[in-house]
Amino acid sequence: GEDVEQSLFLSVREGDSSVINCTYTDSSSTYLYWYKQEPGAGLQLLTYIFSNMDMKQDQRLTVLLNKKDKHLSLRIADTQTGDSAIYFCAESMTPPSNTGKLIFGQGTTLQVKP
Amino acid sequence: DAGITQSPRHKVTETGTPVTLRCHQTENHRYMYWYRQDPGHGLRLIHYSYGVKDTDKGEVSDGYSVSRSKTEDFLLTLESATSSQTSVYFCAISQGPGANVLTFGAGSRLTVL
Repeated sequence: GEDVEQSLFLSVREGDSSVINCTYTDSSSTYLYWYKQEPGAGLQLLTYIFSNMDMKQDQRLTVLLNKKDKHLSLRIADTQTGDSAIYFCAESMTPPSNTGKLIFGQGTTLQVKP
Repeated sequence: DAGITQSPRHKVTETGTPVTLRCHQTENHRYMYWYRQDPGHGLRLIHYSYGVKDTDKGEVSDGYSVSRSKTEDFLLTLESATSSQTSVYFCAISQGPGANVLTFGAGSRLTVL
């Protein structure tokens, strides 16, 4: 079955880079996502990557995908205190179910120290 | 969370009572989902809908039922609440497969005593 695994906690200093890692099991996933959750709020999409891509960059965010190892990472450059949040990795269910379901990891809490 | 509203945002109830959570959207999206969030488990899918009156079970559907009589509303019902259903419940909407970006509501915190 589908499973998405993340480490639970990461602490960095302001200005450093943060790297959050994720592994998934469904090799047929077509899209992989990163969502951010701030305290008391719902999840917000940060970025997503199509499975035929190796890398996607969006301002301070870089997503790397290694399909062979089923490994996804999110790098945040110049991490700021406002980046403190829980980050969720997710994979999409693929056809034939075609239901648009997303399977989420447990979430990584990012703590940014001043 | 523009375009998607959950109610109530907070509820405390007793074991054995029925509870209904409502998700309302103004985006006319076809797909709607109910997830629950628990420490150490991330988000787990309870039920989802792919159209009016079209629903299906997710990975943790036991003890829950849903209904969707209109495009804009997706109701989650706990027929007889148990303490294990204490959680934060999130509704999400999407236009469907493809990139399938989910937009989430702000969440409903349910405590079952």
